Amino acid sequence: SQQGEEDPQALSIQEGENATMNCSYKTSINNLQWYRQNSGRGLVHLILIRSNEREKHSGRLRVTLDTSKKSSSLLITASRAADTASYFCATDARRGGSEKLVFGKGTKLTVNP
Amino acid sequence: DTEVTQTPKHLVMGMTNKKSLKCEQHMGHRAMYWYKQKAKKPPELMFVYSYEKLSINESVPSRFSPECPNSSLLNLHLHALQPEDSALYLCASSQLARGYEQFFGPGTRLTVL
Repeated sequence: SQQGEEDPQALSIQEGENATMNCSYKTSINNLQWYRQNSGRGLVHLILIRSNEREKHSGRLRVTLDTSKKSSSLLITASRAADTASYFCATDARRGGSEKLVFGKGTKLTVNP
Repeated sequence: DTEVTQTPKHLVMGMTNKKSLKCEQHMGHRAMYWYKQKAKKPPELMFVYSYEKLSINESVPSRFSPECPNSSLLNLHLHALQPEDSALYLCASSQLARGYEQFFGPGTRLTVL
């Protein structure tokens, strides 16, 4: 089963507004990552947050992690039309000496100009 | 150079054809990955190579055959594919196979007729 589940599945906002996406997962993790994907393109890494971290910032992005609730949130402040994309959380699952990233179903964000 | 390149961008093949997808990175990363992504779905891991050795095979059918000739190159050989194998195939790399962000290529859009 999917390790991560994003909520909401789709989000439509106006330019300048903030966008919040949530991710829940089921098992213990070492880190959680967020990626962005523009339609039909490759994924772009946004932030990696480790299990001993609670909050991380990168530009207009703020990620929180609550390991007790097995959840994370991604906040995009002052959104722009260029932020329109699908956003995926990904959690790690150890397999021998390697790490498998398991992606959630994603949130499709539309920022209207 | 922080780029992962993939060729070709698009590929159309018949069920009896043999073709190969190519992926290249020059970031000195020692882990490389193949993912399959169907429309409106998250990427699904197929293979992980760590230090040029196959470390994870996610029970992928043998009609997909990965190869890692050296630390910069990753190939995916395709033979006798089925129409349901049509998808976006993404290559990614990371510094090591555990605990690091993954850098994705733009993908190869594969159509099997």
